[in-house]
Amino acid sequence: GNSVTQMEGPVTLSEEAFLTINCTYTATGYPSLFWYVQYPGEGLQLLLKATKADDKGSNKGFEATYRKETTSFHLEKGSVQVSDSAVYFCALRETSGSRLTFGEGTQLTVNP
Amino acid sequence: DAGVIQSPRHEVTEMGQEVTLRCKPISGHNSLFWYRQTMMRGLELLIYFNNNVPIDDSGMPEDRFSAKMPNASFSTLKIQPSEPRDSAVYFCASSFPLTGGEQFFGPGTRLTVL
Repeated sequence: GNSVTQMEGPVTLSEEAFLTINCTYTATGYPSLFWYVQYPGEGLQLLLKATKADDKGSNKGFEATYRKETTSFHLEKGSVQVSDSAVYFCALRETSGSRLTFGEGTQLTVNP
Repeated sequence: DAGVIQSPRHEVTEMGQEVTLRCKPISGHNSLFWYRQTMMRGLELLIYFNNNVPIDDSGMPEDRFSAKMPNASFSTLKIQPSEPRDSAVYFCASSFPLTGGEQFFGPGTRLTVL
């Protein structure tokens, strides 16, 4: 079956530090890949997505590249801000079907 | 668009009582999902519907939980009778697979069963 594995958290960084949150997946076919963010007390929001190999999704300074050869979709940001403190979820959707398979989530805390 | 709407936002009830959570998906979306989130178990998919039809309810914990989608603009998740271990945040999400399949989440209902 499909699965998504994220690096374990929590992750604590200082403001302006470089961020990487690792995500690897197992799936058949050619899934679409997503990063969601959940701020305290809110629902999940789509941060970025990629639908085919070598696609790069980007939003709000965050980037992730769909690497089929390594089955990875790592999230990066060059300079984090305190406002980026949240839980980040990696997810995949099979080519056919509508359900998402989520990773466990990674808590990010950014200190001033 | 108003996004996915859930009600109530907070619910506090006593063990044994019936609880009904409500969801209005984004207009035009034809897939609807119910999730539960707890610190211990993380984010769990309970059930999802395509075109108002339940497709996979394997995540529903037990017979105390039931979900309905009588039309394209409304769904309910019911717990009867409720137990303290049902305390969690329940999210509803909707999507339209033909436009990328990303799910849009509601703000959640925080349920506390005393």
